[in-house]
Amino acid sequence: DAKTTQPPSMDCAEGRAANLPCNHSTISGNEYVYWYRQIHSQGPQYIIHGLKNNETNEMASLIITEDRKSSTLILPHATLRDTAVYYCIVSDTGNQFYFGTGTSLTVIP
Amino acid sequence: GAGVSQSPRYKVAKRGQDVALRCDPISGHVSLFWYQQALGQGPEFLTYFQNEAQLDKSGLPSDRFFAERPEGSVSTLKIQRTQQEDSAVYLCASSLNRDQPQHFGDGTRLSIL
Repeated sequence: DAKTTQPPSMDCAEGRAANLPCNHSTISGNEYVYWYRQIHSQGPQYIIHGLKNNETNEMASLIITEDRKSSTLILPHATLRDTAVYYCIVSDTGNQFYFGTGTSLTVIP
Repeated sequence: GAGVSQSPRYKVAKRGQDVALRCDPISGHVSLFWYQQALGQGPEFLTYFQNEAQLDKSGLPSDRFFAERPEGSVSTLKIQRTQQEDSAVYLCASSLNRDQPQHFGDGTRLSIL
């Protein structure tokens, strides 16, 4: 079973920040939070991951609450190409991922 | 290419036939995973290799499913006596080692008629 809870769908205006929430209240101390996205007919694409600290890379920022029970993926300036299903996953390193059904993000022109 | 490569991209088979799906991981990646993705669902774990050793096969749905990675590089997922419920996208992922994220191929879409 997926260890995370995400809203099934969200909309975001093009050029605005997209903030995708994820609850993972049962996360254990050695589990990382990973974010992937999947565009139709493609495999999941790695976005970012973190353990405790907030992380930022060229694609996105990851904000993890202090108690680690929830996190938010931030796409700072959403474009139409960011329309995809976004998966939040918690996992020990090297272990299988439980994907759940993710959040379907639609970026609106 | 630099990414995970899967072949074929599409496979159509008649019920009862055997199929073999291939995964070429990123060169040097130690860990390799197989997932099954049904339409409208997230990927579900099938099996995991570390080099040539199959360390976890808890997700394989039946003994008709078999995976191997004999030389610790290319992996093959075999499904014997296919059934209609086997129709899905089969995804392969690899990672450099246990501490690195998994990188996915674009999958093989299997349709059983």
